[in-house]
Amino acid sequence: EIVLTQSPGTLSSSPGERATLSCRASQSVSSTYLAWYQQKPGQTPRLLIYGASNRATGIPDRFSGSGSGTDFTLTISRLEPEDFAVYYCQQYGSSPLTFGGGTKVEIK
Amino acid sequence: QVQLQQWGAGLLKPSETLSLTCAVYGESFSGYYWNWIRQPPGRGLEWVGEINHSGSTNYNPSLKSRVTLSVDTSKNQFSLKLTSVTAADTAVYYCARLVGAANFDYWGQGTLVTVSS
Repeated sequence: EIVLTQSPGTLSSSPGERATLSCRASQSVSSTYLAWYQQKPGQTPRLLIYGASNRATGIPDRFSGSGSGTDFTLTISRLEPEDFAVYYCQQYGSSPLTFGGGTKVEIK
Repeated sequence: QVQLQQWGAGLLKPSETLSLTCAVYGESFSGYYWNWIRQPPGRGLEWVGEINHSGSTNYNPSLKSRVTLSVDTSKNQFSLKLTSVTAADTAVYYCARLVGAANFDYWGQGTLVTVSS
């Protein structure tokens, strides 16, 4: 099973700042099978990034994904008030499908 | 517009069987894998398993002995059964569509299932 480790666990930032979230895999993951989701309290997860770097439909361009192999990054260029949420990475390059433990982006 | 609508019992006693169903609207049922994912209160996401229109399944090994997924293509529905539940199975259960064999683009609204004596 591929374990995805997300860091930091919590990121305290202010609106307008840049946020960099990390997802490290215990084994190499094909970029095709690496995705990022945003989840707000009481809501369903929303797909942000697929294929490691492709924005899903309707996702603002302040969100970007990068990385390959075992190290992947989600960057939010300038935090908007609505971006404070929990972010999960997910892989299905190898079964079973796994999620990272999440990074909570909170207002400083 | 694809919509997933799910339902099922929300309160179970230990040792009972969890049963949830998800209906798919607005999209062909074939050509995708349809998944269940769960999230214990205050915790992260855990994949339960997937099924396609022909009934081919993949399960999370940690749950495989207790999980059965089934599909009813005539109704565009798929279902989850989880046997011998315990408090550890308390979670919000989501159904979701897997696209590109890689990620989830459409999700059901979630069903909170609580296991308590």
